[in-house]
Amino acid sequence: EAQVTQNPRYLITVTGKKLTVTCSQNMNHEYMSWYRQDPGLGLRQIYYSMNVEVTDKGDVPEGYKVSRKEKRNFPLILESPSPNQTSLYFCASSSLWPGENIQYFGAGTRLSVL
Amino acid sequence: KQEVTQIPAALSVPEGENLVLNCSFTDSAIYNLQWFRQDPGKGLTSLLLIQSSQREQTSGRLNASLDKSSGRSTLYIAASQPGDSATYLCAVRPAGGATNKLIFGTGTLLAVQP
Repeated sequence: EAQVTQNPRYLITVTGKKLTVTCSQNMNHEYMSWYRQDPGLGLRQIYYSMNVEVTDKGDVPEGYKVSRKEKRNFPLILESPSPNQTSLYFCASSSLWPGENIQYFGAGTRLSVL
Repeated sequence: KQEVTQIPAALSVPEGENLVLNCSFTDSAIYNLQWFRQDPGKGLTSLLLIQSSQREQTSGRLNASLDKSSGRSTLYIAASQPGDSATYLCAVRPAGGATNKLIFGTGTLLAVQP
C-alpha cells in the first residue's frame, strides 16, 4: 500500500528543546516536501527535496532544517523550537515524472511548543 | 504571486443534495490543479488531478472542472452523503518551476446532514 508515514503524530515540547519529525515514503518518489497548516493561512511549504542530497527552501523555512540522505526519508528538524512553530505539519511525496504528479500526504503531526 | 481562494469557507447541506465547491486562482500559468479531502487526524487524500490541458476529470460521484483562462475550478459532488463531510482543499501547481510545489486554498468545510 502506498504510504507516507510521519512520526510522531502528536508532540508537546518546550521552547528551545530540539526535535525531529520523521517522514518516510514507500513509493520510490523523487520529490518530498514539508508543509505547515495554520488556521486562515492554509498549507504553506517549508522545505522540499528533488532527490537525495538535494534540498531547498520553500515559503516559510525560517527555524527549520531538513536532510535527505536516503530517498525514502525526509526528516524535519527544529533546532530551537519557538511557540510560533506550533502548527499542524504534513509531509508529502510525489513522482517527478510528467503526468504522475499526484501528491501523497502523511497523516500529519500536531506540534505544540510551550 | 499566486493566490488561491475557496468559497464558501463552510457549507452545510442535507443528504442527497448535489453541491458545488468553488476554487479560484489569480495566475493562470499553472501546470495542474488538484482537489484534496482532509479528514481530522487522517491527513490529505487526493481526489482528482486536472492537468492544465484538461477541462475536467471525473471519479465516481465527483467531477472537477478547470477553466484556466478565468482562473476557476469547481468540484461537483453528486448525491451527497454524510460520509462526504470533510474539508475540501484545492491546490495549484504553478507552471515554469521544476518543483512539485503546491499553492493551497484555505478550504471549504462541508457538513452533510443525514
